[in-house]
Amino acid sequence: EAQVTQNPRYLITVTGKKLTVTCSQNMNHEYMSWYRQDPGLGLRQIYYSMNVEVTDKGDVPEGYKVSRKEKRNFPLILESPSPNQTSLYFCATGGGAYEQYFGPGTRLTVT
Amino acid sequence: DAKTTQPNSMESNEEEPVHLPCNHSTISGTDYIHWYRQLPSQGPEYVIHGLTSNVNNRMASLAIAEDRKSSTLILHRATLRDAAVYYCILNSGGSGNTGKLIFGQGTTLQVKP
Repeated sequence: EAQVTQNPRYLITVTGKKLTVTCSQNMNHEYMSWYRQDPGLGLRQIYYSMNVEVTDKGDVPEGYKVSRKEKRNFPLILESPSPNQTSLYFCATGGGAYEQYFGPGTRLTVT
Repeated sequence: DAKTTQPNSMESNEEEPVHLPCNHSTISGTDYIHWYRQLPSQGPEYVIHGLTSNVNNRMASLAIAEDRKSSTLILHRATLRDAAVYYCILNSGGSGNTGKLIFGQGTTLQVKP
């Protein structure tokens, strides 16, 4: 079954404590990306990756890092989380101009 | 990036057809029209996409105006499970395409039993 998985699904952490949200896909897609969703602001792209070792900034990259060492994984790293990064995060994979598949979401709370 | 305009909310009765409109008057020739929906507590889900011709799949139909300045997502028989936020999104198919989907506020569809 085609899947995008994210871990953890829920996380409460404190300001400044480094964390990583993992994303994995089994569809052999080259394209992967991260979005955050906030009330009133909708979904906004954080980073995207067109292929292994190729990543680029989306609209709201500040405070985030990503890496793409293998095709199936695209982790999102928050080196020093702050309360304004409290949000719902979605990983997506797919084919550019064609359909994209989203993960189930990770709800992050930074206190 | 070209913008889309959708009504904030719509209501439908169960088992009746639903027509969700979208205006995109500044669409360019390489822009695909995508529809996604987001059910409560879930990630966005691809529904359908098209370029110029009307499209049908197992979930819905997409009717595209001849001048491509508007489109309509058609759910042929709404069910309670179709209650969601529906997003109409333009995504360029050109060589500079980054795959970024620009989500607006969408249309919240309420389905009444």
